[in-house]
Amino acid sequence: DAGVTQSPTHLIKTRGQQVTLRCSPKSGHDTVSWYQQALGQGPQFIFQYYEEEERQRGNFPDRFSGHQFPNYSSELNVNALLLGDSALYLCASSLPGTYSYEQYFGPGTRLTVT
Amino acid sequence: DAKTTQPTSMDCAEGRAANLPCNHSTISGNEYVYWYRQIHSQGPQYIIHGLKNNETNEMASLIITEDRKSSTLILPHATLRDTAVYYCIVILLGSARQLTFGSGTQLTVLP
Repeated sequence: DAGVTQSPTHLIKTRGQQVTLRCSPKSGHDTVSWYQQALGQGPQFIFQYYEEEERQRGNFPDRFSGHQFPNYSSELNVNALLLGDSALYLCASSLPGTYSYEQYFGPGTRLTVT
Repeated sequence: DAKTTQPTSMDCAEGRAANLPCNHSTISGNEYVYWYRQIHSQGPQYIIHGLKNNETNEMASLIITEDRKSSTLILPHATLRDTAVYYCIVILLGSARQLTFGSGTQLTVLP
């Protein structure tokens, strides 16, 4: 049973560019959440997708957008990259309802903005 | 969600029980306590959660005080692989669905 997978593992971009990160949820899960983790800090919630719609959003600017596909996989897009966007981006999947708090995380994508 | 306070770091000898405290003095009656951990270079991992009764699973035990103002995560026989940052999170089920991570406790299991 595959867990949560994310691609790519590492990515280097230049300021002002755009990036797309991808996530495949754990089998049987239909809810996907994205988190940003800066070095030395705990993960910060970006948004959550369920039934192909953004259901919840954290305190992140509109430069951060996402999408969920019919097969429940998801993408995180970041436009106009800033140096401060350098971080580990984590995807987590879960079942809906009360089980949505038992989230299964992928290994993350390390984004470096230069 | 209620705020939590955890020690910044703790050490534990391999094979001994690791007891990780969490203070959540402003917790409300229907807020749950969740524990996650993050091993270096990996994503966080769900460990256990509880409301007011003590809980045990194959990974750990969770002890919540009677007044619910604090809790302790217990790893009964710590191994080197348990070295990680442990996060205590208080959640009101049915409210915002994000996990709000604090700074957590860096547990180092020593050989």
